Amino acid sequence: AQTVTQSQPEMSVQEAETVTLSCTYDTSESDYYLFWYKQPPSRQMILVIRQEAYKQQNATENRFSVNFQKAAKSFSLKISDSQLGDAAMYFCAYERVGNQFYFGTGTSLTVIP
Amino acid sequence: ETGVTQSPTHLIKTRGQQVTLRCSSQSGHNTVSWYQQALGQGPQFIFQYYREEENGRGNFPPRFSGLQFPNYSSELNVNALELDDSALYLCASSVGLAEEETQYFGPGTRLLVL
Repeated sequence: AQTVTQSQPEMSVQEAETVTLSCTYDTSESDYYLFWYKQPPSRQMILVIRQEAYKQQNATENRFSVNFQKAAKSFSLKISDSQLGDAAMYFCAYERVGNQFYFGTGTSLTVIP
Repeated sequence: ETGVTQSPTHLIKTRGQQVTLRCSSQSGHNTVSWYQQALGQGPQFIFQYYREEENGRGNFPPRFSGLQFPNYSSELNVNALELDDSALYLCASSVGLAEEETQYFGPGTRLLVL
């Protein structure tokens, strides 16, 4: 069974600084997708970034980038130039075949002005 | 906005009752998945429907059931409600089953069981 672990229940960052959220996962599959989703207080899950396991290059989306270490089964999210609007719960997710997601327990990010 | 809507936004039920939650996907989205998110936890996969057939199920009992309709709407039904069923219920839709497709989440229905 796939499991996703986020070991940081809470993180904080000063506005304009950089923060890294950690995620590890366990799987026996060789091909899969990994995601970071953001869930603000409005509750709607918003896709932040996606990584295909077969791609060695780390995904980037503007201020968001990942450090994907397939052998270590590690998938961390780096947020650069943090903004107040980045404050939210962040979930790491593993997608198995058939578009079925497994989520971690989340990291609550606070951005300090 | 993801184009996925859910109703109602909030709901209060008592133990033993039955509840139906609804999700409306974007036109052309043939896949819908339902998730249960308990307070302080990540979403847990309940089941998935593809073209009106169940296509996978998580570790949830049979009293959790679903339906998907040709008009891209779907339902999650929960019978014999228990206190632990109190949670945020999310639906997510996509065009098909391919992993590279983006899933779009709705805002969720908050269910409280007393």
